[in-house]
Amino acid sequence: NAGVTQTPKFQVLKTGQSMTLQCAQDMNHEYMSWYRQDPGMGLRLIHYSVGAGITDQGEVPNGYNVSRSTTEDFPLRLLSAAPSQTSVYFCASRTSSYEQYFGPGTRLTVT
Amino acid sequence: AQRVTQPEKLLSVFKGAPVELKCNYSYSGSPELFWYVQYSRQRLQLLLRHISRESIKGFTADLNKGETSFHLKKPFAQEEDSAMYYCALLVGGGGNKLTFGTGTQLKVEL
Repeated sequence: NAGVTQTPKFQVLKTGQSMTLQCAQDMNHEYMSWYRQDPGMGLRLIHYSVGAGITDQGEVPNGYNVSRSTTEDFPLRLLSAAPSQTSVYFCASRTSSYEQYFGPGTRLTVT
Repeated sequence: AQRVTQPEKLLSVFKGAPVELKCNYSYSGSPELFWYVQYSRQRLQLLLRHISRESIKGFTADLNKGETSFHLKKPFAQEEDSAMYYCALLVGGGGNKLTFGTGTQLKVEL
């Protein structure tokens, strides 16, 4: 199993550009989530999904959209990038017993 | 609202010394707590969870509901323990949200 995969690993955007961070898992987990990791702030939940077709907001959802059309994929869309969205983004999926598996992360810089 | 506090940003210890990484939480419900670790250039991974009461890589953590704490301990630090450690609290109906602390960087010096 590949586990949780994320693409791209690195990305530089200009303010106002849009892009999609990809996340996929091959463990058939219903629950998936997106976090951002910022120095001194730990990991903060952006959005999560409890199954295909169901998403909900986390702690810091503004500026991000998600959708979940399949169990495997959970893309994160930045609609109009801002410098405040410069961060490392982690996707995760979780077992029914709440063990969470993380992807390798995407390092995003917005100039 | 739920909150996880890790008061130390950086903890530096010598090899062979005991380690204690502090974690305090605030949550009105029954807590489920975890420790995650992130080694250099690796992804976050689960270290241990309180309900399993396991010892992983020599680390243990006991939930103290009276003090609302879940400190991570190891009697003898090893160089390979150097990493970023995050305490996390599972909250919400159906356990839908994992709230993380700000993390503690552990540095084990020779």
